[in-house]
Amino acid sequence: EADIYQTPRYLVIGTGKKITLECSQTMGHDKMYWYQQDPGMELHLIHYSYGVNSTEKGDLSSESTVSRIRTEHFPLTLESARPSHTSQYLCASSELPAYGYTFGSGTRLTVV
Amino acid sequence: AQTVTQSQPEMSVQEAETVTLSCTYDTSESDYYLFWYKQPPSRQMILVIRQEAYKQQNATENRFSVNFQKAAKSFSLKISDSQLGDAAMYFCAYRSGGGGSNYKLTFGKGTLLTVNP
Repeated sequence: EADIYQTPRYLVIGTGKKITLECSQTMGHDKMYWYQQDPGMELHLIHYSYGVNSTEKGDLSSESTVSRIRTEHFPLTLESARPSHTSQYLCASSELPAYGYTFGSGTRLTVV
Repeated sequence: AQTVTQSQPEMSVQEAETVTLSCTYDTSESDYYLFWYKQPPSRQMILVIRQEAYKQQNATENRFSVNFQKAAKSFSLKISDSQLGDAAMYFCAYRSGGGGSNYKLTFGKGTLLTVNP
């Protein structure tokens, strides 16, 4: 049973549109993450957050931006979607190092 | 930087048989955690099993167990009595136990497990 929620589950959108992928968690975790999963299923960290008003870019350069105004909410925004943004986006949160991540169900984005 | 290597892009197993997925990692740290995650097709990634590096005893969770060889930096996953529901992509992951790591997980590229009836 998920305590971290991503919406929408699937999204097909035209080039140039602005989109926001939502991620919310109810566990009170300070640390949250966004991963991009490529067709080969490899995971690439694109953004993370230590807590409110703290965001950092991940290992893979991304044109997306994130915000963290509330502990439970970590949305990802693409100002102008392009076909190269087509991918699965996974949100995760974490408490202590020993417990790993809790993942959301993901958003599969297709830009046409 | 830490790296995680899963050398088997794909594996298959007969239902009710046992399969072992390989994972090696590279680190200079002594305090860390290792994880195996399962991602079924179009479904949520879930934690299968975890191991603290300071524990010599191998972790087990029902049909899932690990073979943790710290000196060899190896962390394999054994699935016993394989079931059709075990079919998924499996990711090995490493996490530093030290401060300042942002608690980030480093993932391997995954092993796709097929279970044949």
